[in-house]
Amino acid sequence: DAKTTQPPSMDCAEGRAANLPCNHSTISGNEYVYWYRQIHSQGPQYIIHGLKNNETNEMASLIITEDRKSSTLILPHATLRDTAVYYCIVRVGVGTASKLTFGTGTRLQVTL
Amino acid sequence: NAGVTQTPKFQVLKTGQSMTLQCAQDMNHEYMSWYRQDPGMGLRLIHYSVGAGITDQGEVPNGYNVSRSTTEDFPLRLLSAAPSQTSVYFCASSTSGENSPLHFGNGTRLTVT
Repeated sequence: DAKTTQPPSMDCAEGRAANLPCNHSTISGNEYVYWYRQIHSQGPQYIIHGLKNNETNEMASLIITEDRKSSTLILPHATLRDTAVYYCIVRVGVGTASKLTFGTGTRLQVTL
Repeated sequence: NAGVTQTPKFQVLKTGQSMTLQCAQDMNHEYMSWYRQDPGMGLRLIHYSVGAGITDQGEVPNGYNVSRSTTEDFPLRLLSAAPSQTSVYFCASSTSGENSPLHFGNGTRLTVT
């Protein structure tokens, strides 16, 4: 699986958009980009994933650059409950669901 | 629908003791896996299973055994606990569908003294 690089920490004011970047310059053509988050002491929670098109769901949006070497997770209106560690992961699809490789992520602090 | 359930939530062991961390899922997921999380290290894969009767090693398998006799359960065994195994352990599951996301339990916090 390709390695990812994320900033160790970021701050965001409540109500503003939180934009979390991720570099994955060695990503292969069949590797998907996944985002998970971990709120203090809980298990990681799936947020969103994509291959090359931008994706949006009820939690967030995922913007992937055209060359697929980087992506950005967008939380459109951050709340205090979004304070968590956010993990960007790339992995191959079929047959490897149990082999995600987590790095150390970005610690997002949402403040009043 | 309970999702992924891990027991116990907390455990303290003495060096050399054995124990089993339990993991059960009620979503009929084929894939299950165990991770450990240490400060500053992210999550590291210990063992995983792609279905009942099939297991394989992950990144850090030494000191741990697993078995998968049923689809629902994937216990993790520590045969002789060591202080280096002090960690938070997470179990996860997913369907076998392409790109299906992992569902995690809330972890077991293990301290080995």
